[in-house]
Amino acid sequence: DTEVTQTPKHLVMGMTNKKSLKCEQHMGHRAMYWYKQKAKKPPELMFVYSYEKLSINESVPSRFSPECPNSSLLNLHLHALQPEDSALYLCASSRGHQESPLHFGNGTRLTVT
Amino acid sequence: AQKVTQAQTEISVVEKEDVTLDCVYETRDTTYYLFWYKQPPSGELVFLIRRNSFDEQNEISGRYSWNFQKSTSSFNFTITASQVVDSAVYFCALSGANTGNQFYFGTGTSLTVIP
Repeated sequence: DTEVTQTPKHLVMGMTNKKSLKCEQHMGHRAMYWYKQKAKKPPELMFVYSYEKLSINESVPSRFSPECPNSSLLNLHLHALQPEDSALYLCASSRGHQESPLHFGNGTRLTVT
Repeated sequence: AQKVTQAQTEISVVEKEDVTLDCVYETRDTTYYLFWYKQPPSGELVFLIRRNSFDEQNEISGRYSWNFQKSTSSFNFTITASQVVDSAVYFCALSGANTGNQFYFGTGTSLTVIP
């Protein structure tokens, strides 16, 4: 079983909806990440939180809004998405050092209609 | 600049064959770390191995082995006696001492093991 839990596993939303993706880890990791992955492509970094502070924002459109309520939780708020935003959204955590591997959740498969 | 190249897009092998997945990297950092991840059809990326730039010792874990060669900037992954459960997309990734919390992924190699 994965130690990073993501909910929901699947999400279908319209372009006017507001929804949130949730991620939780209890490994004591200090860095948490959101990645977006399109079919047959590598994961693409969106955001990084380090010690609960946003440290990297890869020029992601404002319709994606991350939130890190505490060191164990990471949310991604979605609003006014476009069909091209349909993808697998992966949460990951790490100890926050360059040598620390990422531990991924199972992902949320998002479809925007 | 940091870059990871996985030139093999798709590979198909018959069960029990050996297969090697290639990974070539570029970095200006003198200290860096290389990783392999497996992504089965279910979607989760599973961490397989990490190698430090200052440790060129090859590693074997069951049917898996990794060959790290700094001279050719390569970190190749061999699966011996492949099984159907090895079918997945495999990603090689790089992080450096000066890359913050950034990981640089290769484009992945899709491996299909035919029974």
